[in-house]
Amino acid sequence: DTGVSQDPRHKITKRGQNVTFRCDPISEHNRLYWYRQTLGQGPEFLTYFQNEAQLEKSRLLSDRFSAERPKGSFSTLEIQRTEQGDSAMYLCASSSNAQGDNEQFFGPGTRLTVL
Amino acid sequence: SQKIEQNSEALNIQEGKTATLTCNYTNYSPAYLQWYRQDPGRGPVFLLLIRENEKEKRKERLKVTFDTTLKQSLFHITASQPADSATYLCALGKSGGYNKLIFGAGTRLAVHP
Repeated sequence: DTGVSQDPRHKITKRGQNVTFRCDPISEHNRLYWYRQTLGQGPEFLTYFQNEAQLEKSRLLSDRFSAERPKGSFSTLEIQRTEQGDSAMYLCASSSNAQGDNEQFFGPGTRLTVL
Repeated sequence: SQKIEQNSEALNIQEGKTATLTCNYTNYSPAYLQWYRQDPGRGPVFLLLIRENEKEKRKERLKVTFDTTLKQSLFHITASQPADSATYLCALGKSGGYNKLIFGAGTRLAVHP
């Protein structure tokens, strides 16, 4: 499968624990996005990478959130000291650099439940 | 602040009919608009893109219109099938950027046999 993959698909954790999610974009895509989606809502933009550079972070991304894309390939999203309000689906998407308005290819998401 | 509104209630239609979904926006001037389909437990899948200088786009049974004066896009599925049942999301983007998308909450479509 050459699509966007995310790992894990599901994560249950206790409040206060740290969690890390991984995203593997489509190999030739240099743009990578993280979104968060809660039930009944559309995805909300969290952050964007072009290659290894993190070019924008949403105000939704508090200090407890950090994202990396060390070699311009896969990306990780870490949440420290999780809170119940962090429970959501975390989606990763990638797109090519060919056009600014290119379609985004989404992964299946990681569903986080904070108890 | 920017606001995108999609029909909040589910749209129920009979197989074979045309489904029409609405996306309205305020306090935003998008350069383009994209429509995505999302099935339960899955990530969105891109369907169509329409730019601000385009009035209408078609792809197979799908048609999208974009009225920048009304600040509205309509998404049509003709000859609908039960397999079209899903949530449909509209997303707005600005030019000169990297395709950061602002999504609506989506409209759930149910096509009944």
